[in-house]
Amino acid sequence: DAGVIQSPRHEVTEMGQEVTLRCKPISGHNSLFWYRQTMMRGLELLIYFNNNVPIDDSGMPEDRFSAKMPNASFSTLKIQPSEPRDSAVYFCASSSRRLETQYFGPGTRLLVL
Amino acid sequence: GNSVTQMEGPVTLSEEAFLTINCTYTATGYPSLFWYVQYPGEGLQLLLKATKADDKGSNKGFEATYRKETTSFHLEKGSVQVSDSAVYFCALSAPTGGTSYGKLTFGQGTILTVHP
Repeated sequence: DAGVIQSPRHEVTEMGQEVTLRCKPISGHNSLFWYRQTMMRGLELLIYFNNNVPIDDSGMPEDRFSAKMPNASFSTLKIQPSEPRDSAVYFCASSSRRLETQYFGPGTRLLVL
Repeated sequence: GNSVTQMEGPVTLSEEAFLTINCTYTATGYPSLFWYVQYPGEGLQLLLKATKADDKGSNKGFEATYRKETTSFHLEKGSVQVSDSAVYFCALSAPTGGTSYGKLTFGQGTILTVHP
């Protein structure tokens, strides 16, 4: 199994630009999670989906952030417009209801200048 | 609500020393408990888990026992190696049946550095 796949692995952009992060969960998993990790705030859950439906988006910092899961094998996290304080590592994770364990992708390192 | 409190870091040890990282939790019902490890530049990986009281999770020489009476899940290893240097996260999973099923609540992470 390829594991959770995230792209891009690194992104450098300028303030005000749109950023789109992509995630392909493990085949057969029906839950998908987006996290953000920074030195100051640690690991934060932004949003998660069950069976492609957003269940809890209370961690999404503001309206500039949006996430979609159009099908079971793909999700995006979009930041528009981006700001320097959005600089962080963004992780995607997936799990199956039966197993509980979340499997994390390698992360996307985002730097907003 | 659910919460996880981990021992403050960073923790610095010499190779072959004994490791303990404390973790306590607050939760309703009967959560599952996890330890995840994050190596530099990588995502989190499951290290071990326990799903009910008195269960012991173990992997790669690490162990943790689910103690319901003390609401704890302390991580231990008898002899650490330089390659164990990483960040360790304690986490719990919300009880089965709720709408938040599958959501993990993480501790703040503990940085471990092992010197030769």
